[in-house]
Amino acid sequence: QVQLHESGPGLVKPSQTLSLTCTVSGGSIISGGYYWSWIRQTPGKGLEWIGYFYYGDNMYYNPSLKSRVSISVDTSKGHISLKLTSVTAADTAVYYCARGPRSTPIILLWGQGTLVTVSS
Amino acid sequence: ELVLTQSPVILSVSPGEEATLSCRASQSSSTNLAWYQQHPGQAPRLLIYGASTRATGIPARFSGSGSGTEFTLTIGSLQSEDFAVYYCQQYNNWPYTFGQGTKLEIK
Repeated sequence: QVQLHESGPGLVKPSQTLSLTCTVSGGSIISGGYYWSWIRQTPGKGLEWIGYFYYGDNMYYNPSLKSRVSISVDTSKGHISLKLTSVTAADTAVYYCARGPRSTPIILLWGQGTLVTVSS
Repeated sequence: ELVLTQSPVILSVSPGEEATLSCRASQSSSTNLAWYQQHPGQAPRLLIYGASTRATGIPARFSGSGSGTEFTLTIGSLQSEDFAVYYCQQYNNWPYTFGQGTKLEIK
């Protein structure tokens, strides 16, 4: 059974880079039929889709974050990484790694989420 | 960006009664709309996709309807575990977006 687990620093200083890793266990990122996403949730803006990709295809980033975000994959480790540069307090959120069927952009599998606070 | 507006923000309903939640899109989302349930401290759970198709394992008391810009989630005979926050999500246009949520609370 595939599981997703997010990890990374819980506290990041303003203007620095937020870096998170999603570890995929019980399955492979390479296996077809799925897309992989990062989604965040804040009290103010609610749920926000940061970006997604199909393995072997392009990365798709939310235009509101595109200049600051990047997603990368290390298939040998089963890792999906998220980097968000120049963070502010508005980036304080619970960050989720998620997976859905390639045919339909919905989320069927979520990680447990990790809270990242941006504060000096 | 396609904006989803959910109403009401808070809905108070007694157990055993029916709840009706609404989601309005700023432009047509066809039937490319999903509903999720979220309990405190947990990740959301998919209930409905394609506006009206129940996800695997979702009880029949959950039903979705609508197309275009108006969508409804109906929960019949509310159980204690149904009191949670509900979100709609559109996947018609990128970036995919969520509504701000409706909190279903016990009356």
